[in-house]
Amino acid sequence: DTAVSQTPKYLVTQMGNDKSIKCEQNLGHDTMYWYKQDSKKFLKIMFSYNNKELIINETVPNRFSPKSPDKAHLNLHINSLELGDSAVYFCASSQDKRGPKNPYEQYFGPGTRLTVT
Amino acid sequence: AQSVTQPDIHITVSEGASLELRCNYSYGATPYLFWYVQSPGQGLQLLLKYFSGDTLVQGIKGFEAEFKRSQSSFNLRKPSVHWSDAAEYFCAVGAGTSGTYKYIFGTGTRLKVLA
Repeated sequence: DTAVSQTPKYLVTQMGNDKSIKCEQNLGHDTMYWYKQDSKKFLKIMFSYNNKELIINETVPNRFSPKSPDKAHLNLHINSLELGDSAVYFCASSQDKRGPKNPYEQYFGPGTRLTVT
Repeated sequence: AQSVTQPDIHITVSEGASLELRCNYSYGATPYLFWYVQSPGQGLQLLLKYFSGDTLVQGIKGFEAEFKRSQSSFNLRKPSVHWSDAAEYFCAVGAGTSGTYKYIFGTGTRLKVLA
């Protein structure tokens, strides 16, 4: 009954490689997000998608390309990985509509720890 | 600009002692406010949230927080800390409108609990 899942949990790769992280939510939400947590634990939004449409792109290098094949999935592809990309990447989802219950509460996945060597 | 400040990077308390973690926000409209906890190597778990109404909100694990508009604060409290509360705590404000919504996080407070 996992709500937001991410694969893989750990990813170790070399500089210059291309890698993908996958995210799936079974909450029926219509908005999904990617956040990056750096080595100092600072969390910052990277992207958000609403109904498969890119809504927020927070000045992320274009080596990062999110893709949302459907409302339940948001993948993150990273090209030409750099040392500075090492971080924990969190996927989240929310039901981005007004309603009686928690309209803007985000549910987070367990995170993917990316290490670039 | 919207921002969240958690003034305390590290806090150490003894088990059984009371706890208060500070959070100040800057946001033009009525804020949606959240506290999340991250245990080592784990994801983010929601402790509590404030949308509107009663300014004292109760959360899980015995935590509560009080929204004070005049002070732009949303401090997290717990009357008696347990060793298992040792973790990183993040305050966040929900910013934006429907469809452009995002969280802005504070820099986190690391809580250490002494036995």
